[in-house]
Amino acid sequence: GAVVSQHPSRVICKSGTSVKIECRSLDFQATTMFWYRQFPKQSLMLMATSNEGSKATYEQGVEKDKFLINHASLTLSTLTVTSAHPEDSSFYICSAPDVTSRSYNEQFFGPGTRLTVL
Amino acid sequence: AQSVTQLGSHVSVSEGALVLLRCNYSSSVPPYLFWYVQYPNQGLQLLLKYTSAATLVKGINGFEAEFKKSETSFHLTKPSAHMSDAAEYFCAVSGKTGANNLFFGTGTRLTVIP
Repeated sequence: GAVVSQHPSRVICKSGTSVKIECRSLDFQATTMFWYRQFPKQSLMLMATSNEGSKATYEQGVEKDKFLINHASLTLSTLTVTSAHPEDSSFYICSAPDVTSRSYNEQFFGPGTRLTVL
Repeated sequence: AQSVTQLGSHVSVSEGALVLLRCNYSSSVPPYLFWYVQYPNQGLQLLLKYTSAATLVKGINGFEAEFKKSETSFHLTKPSAHMSDAAEYFCAVSGKTGANNLFFGTGTRLTVIP
């Protein structure tokens, strides 16, 4: 199957700083990528849909100025958490569909990024 | 609108016993349904998916699920639990194509007792 990577896998930062998380589709092109957030012992909640070459679509309640998404190429989407606060500490997971493959109806997930804000 | 309900946030079974994880869905369009497994501090791994073909779907690691439209269910089963099956399991529903985002259930933590 298709492979999605995320970097970094784990990051610890001070309150007020910004953190960038990368999501890459390694062996396919992704015009769309999804960003999810998962709090401890909870399910995944969709934050935004990242669209290559255009603005991201944010879910209700997600601050677009705080969670900046850039999908500059067909293989890379970035999520920047600006002015991070302890309540932003979470597990961030990206996913992408490979619409050109036989598994076009399947999302491929990255391994996740654990963000801890001190 | 689409949603998924997973009954039972925790399920414990003995090693070798039947595993049954429940999932009911709600969808205004013909659904695509998925089961994912998540090990601690890792991303999600697809176990199996239903995409309007056979209603009994076989996945990896001996898991299978049956789509029952009349019951709006997609329960996950495995005949004999193994210690390595201990993990968090998520049921999810999406629209017709993968370009639609997934709606996840709240997850079920499976514990396997030796």
